[in-house]
Formats: sequence, structure tokens, C-alpha cells
Amino acid sequence: EVQLVESGGGLVQPGRSLRLSCTASGFSFGDYALSWVRQASGKGLEWVGFIKSKRYGGTTEYAAPVKGRFTISRDDSKSIAYLQMNSLKTEDTAVYYCARDRRGGVRITQDYYYMDVWGKGTTVTVSS
Amino acid sequence: DIQMTQSPSTLSASVGDRVTITCRASQSISYWLAWYQQKPGKAPKLLIYKASSLESGVSSRFSGSGSGTEFALTISGLQPDDFATYYCQQYDSYSRTFGQGTKVEIK
Repeated sequence: EVQLVESGGGLVQPGRSLRLSCTASGFSFGDYALSWVRQASGKGLEWVGFIKSKRYGGTTEYAAPVKGRFTISRDDSKSIAYLQMNSLKTEDTAVYYCARDRRGGVRITQDYYYMDVWGKGTTVTVSS
Repeated sequence: DIQMTQSPSTLSASVGDRVTITCRASQSISYWLAWYQQKPGKAPKLLIYKASSLESGVSSRFSGSGSGTEFALTISGLQPDDFATYYCQQYDSYSRTFGQGTKVEIK
């Protein structure tokens, strides 16, 4: 069974750091890109960032609100992706989901990814 | 960033109804659009990708259409399990964005 499990959430003070993990099973983790998406309580979904597979460069992209503060990495030998969150703000409080990215198309200068499998999420609360 | 606008925000319908949710992009995204269903306390579930391609295992009651800037998700013959919140999401840009969501409620 294809599965993603997030861990590492919790209560953290503003300005501090936290690292989330996303452990994958049931598929060849190294062949896929991986996204992080968050959802504040009662709000909509917000894409946070993603990391491509090493086959396609292993590069990362981030949403503007987290760029420079959050870093996504991956350890294909362990089938784990990480979301390192630094300089946390109260507005980062949310449920954080990891999601497998399926490479759904390619054109000359870009490839296209959409999220096909999601984890259940882990809750991050930033509060003093 | 590309802005995605869904309408309506809330939709009241009855079992058996045919319902349509629309999604508009602030610029052309070709057909790089996905639709997700989310139930309270649960992770989103992929329904449609590439604007009109049905994800494997998803009921054929769900269908997607559109290209460019105008898209729609149609549910034919609404079932009790379909009452949920639906999100569109563009992936034309690496900086992906979601619509604000449409809650489908029981009338």
C-alpha cells in the first residue's frame, strides 16, 4: 500500500525551529518528487514547497511566505523527506501534509507536477 | 503568483443532484489543473488531473472540463459520501496555488 506518514509536529515558540519528517512506503520513493502543503485551522490549502527527484535535479521550489525560512530535503536511502522550518511565526501554525508528486507532463523548459497521494498530516502550533 | 478563484464558496444540494463548481485562473494555465476532495479532519484526495483526467479509483460521477482560465468540476448524481469541500489547484507554475475551496452541503 502506498503510504506517507508525517511526524515531528508539536508546539514551538515563535522564532524557533522545527523539523518535520515524511516517511514513505509502498513505492519507489526516489523516483518521485515530494511536496509539502499546509492548512491552518478552518482555512484552505496552501502549497509550501517541493523537491524534485534526483533524476530530475533534486531541486526545490518554495512559496513566497516561507522562502528563505523553510528548507526541504530528502534521504532516498531512508525514503524520508524533511521540512526544516526556521524562524517560525505564529502564522505558520497549521496542519502540515506531505504529498507525493506525480510528474504529469513536460515541455521544453518545464515539467508539471500534481499531488496524487497524501499523508494524514502533522500539527504545528507556533505560540509563546 | 497565479490566483485561483472558485465559485460558489458554499453550495447546498440534495442527494441525486448534478452540481458544478467553477474555478478561474488569473492567467492561462493550459490544462494544468487538478481537483481535490477533502472531508473534515482528513487529507485531501485527488479526483481529477490535467483538467479532465479521472484519477484511478475515483467514481465516474466526477468529471472535469475546461482549459486556459476557466474550469469546472461536475458531480453527477450527488451521493451522501460526496458532501465535502472541493479545491482546484493549478500546477502550470512551480509555485502552485489552490482555490479557496467550495463546500458542498446537504440541502
